[in-house]
Amino acid sequence: EAQVTQNPRYLITVTGKKLTVTCSQNMNHEYMSWYRQDPGLGLRQIYYSMNVEVTDKGDVPEGYKVSRKEKRNFPLILESPSPNQTSLYFCASSLYTGGETQYFGPGTRLLVL
Amino acid sequence: GEDVEQSLFLSVREGDSSVINCTYTDSSSTYLYWYKQEPGAGLQLLTYIFSNMDMKQDQRLTVLLNKKDKHLSLRIADTQTGDSAIYFCAERQNAGNMLTFGGGTRLMVKP
Repeated sequence: EAQVTQNPRYLITVTGKKLTVTCSQNMNHEYMSWYRQDPGLGLRQIYYSMNVEVTDKGDVPEGYKVSRKEKRNFPLILESPSPNQTSLYFCASSLYTGGETQYFGPGTRLLVL
Repeated sequence: GEDVEQSLFLSVREGDSSVINCTYTDSSSTYLYWYKQEPGAGLQLLTYIFSNMDMKQDQRLTVLLNKKDKHLSLRIADTQTGDSAIYFCAERQNAGNMLTFGGGTRLMVKP
C-alpha cells in the first residue's frame, strides 16, 4: 500500500532533550516536506527536500534540522526542543518537485514541557 | 508574503449543500487544493484545480475558481454527517512545491 508513515505518532518530552521524528514513504517520491499545524494558522512548511542530499528551508525552519540521506526517509530533528515547538507535525511527499499531488502522513503530535 | 484565508466555521443540515470559501493573494498560484482532515487523522487530498480552469466537478464536489478575484470555493452537494471535518484550502506557487495553507474551515453537519 502506497503511504507516508511517521513515528512516533505521539510524543511528550522536556525542554532541551533532543528528539527525532521519522518520516518514510514507499512511493519512490523525490519531493518530501515537513509541516507543522497550529490552531488557526493552518499548516506551515518547516523544511523540504527535492531529492537525496538536497534540502531547503520553508517558512518556519528555526529550531529544526532535517536530513535526506536516502530517498525514502526524511527525518525531522529538534536538537533542543522548546515549548513553542509543541504542535502537530505532518510529513508529506510528492512524485517530483512540481508534482500536483502531495501525500500526507498521519501526523505526529508533540508536546514539549 | 502569500496569504490564504478561510472562514473558521460552517454549519449545515444533512442533505443541504455546503459551500466553503477561500481567498488567496498570490497571483502566480499554479495549483489550488482542497484537503480534508478528520479528527485525529492526517490530511486527505479531496481535489485540486489548475489555475487555468474555472471549475472542476468530481462526484459531490464542485470547485470554482475565480482567478480575477483570487477566490476559490468548494461545494459539497447532499452533505452527509461523514463530511464533518476541517477543510483546508492550499495554493502552490509557480516557483516550487511549497504549499501555503489557509487556517481551515470546520464543517459541522447536523442530522
